[in-house]
Amino acid sequence: DTAVSQTPKYLVTQMGNDKSIKCEQNLGHDTMYWYKQDSKKFLKIMFSYNNKELIINETVPNRFSPKSPDKAHLNLHINSLELGDSAVYFCASSRGGGGTEAFFGQGTRLTVV
Amino acid sequence: GDSVTQMEGPVTLSEEAFLTINCTYTATGYPSLFWYVQYPGEGLQLLLKATKADDKGSNKGFEATYRKETTSFHLEKGSVQVSDSAVYFCARYNFNKFYFGSGTKLNVKP
Repeated sequence: DTAVSQTPKYLVTQMGNDKSIKCEQNLGHDTMYWYKQDSKKFLKIMFSYNNKELIINETVPNRFSPKSPDKAHLNLHINSLELGDSAVYFCASSRGGGGTEAFFGQGTRLTVV
Repeated sequence: GDSVTQMEGPVTLSEEAFLTINCTYTATGYPSLFWYVQYPGEGLQLLLKATKADDKGSNKGFEATYRKETTSFHLEKGSVQVSDSAVYFCARYNFNKFYFGSGTKLNVKP
């Protein structure tokens, strides 16, 4: 069983489109995250949710809207896609609190053309 | 502000060479520290962690010691293998966030 799974793995779309990436974790964790990894492998946190509530929003454009229907799911919807949105997006989860590691999904490679 | 700084890569070593990847952090309080590894086309996997000063994390021959006095968490391995080729990320956790260094790519040649 995959601990943190995200779909799709690859997403190619045109500028201006709207797309969603889904994430699910079966670890019983309270906290979930979205990270963006650019072409130089730099990882930047975008959002963090704890028990379905948004706790971190790191100056992400409001075209990006996360939604957490329950604490096992954290989806990411992106409106009006731009070329600069091309990246690998990682979902992760953790128990929260210090000392507990984050578990990552396999990533979604988004290419905007 | 709070940050994680790790040495730039790529690092190229021959098999069985000694590896050190430097990592230093700045943080308020006492963060938990981690090393993650990313193989091509995959997500990040936890390699090891340390939650307080002087703790040593170890896994698969890799080690790192939490040094509060030098705010460092350097990754070491005595004898690398070709299969260790990957990107390594140092990270810290506090205030509900994992902050990652920029990653260091390791290439191990046979």
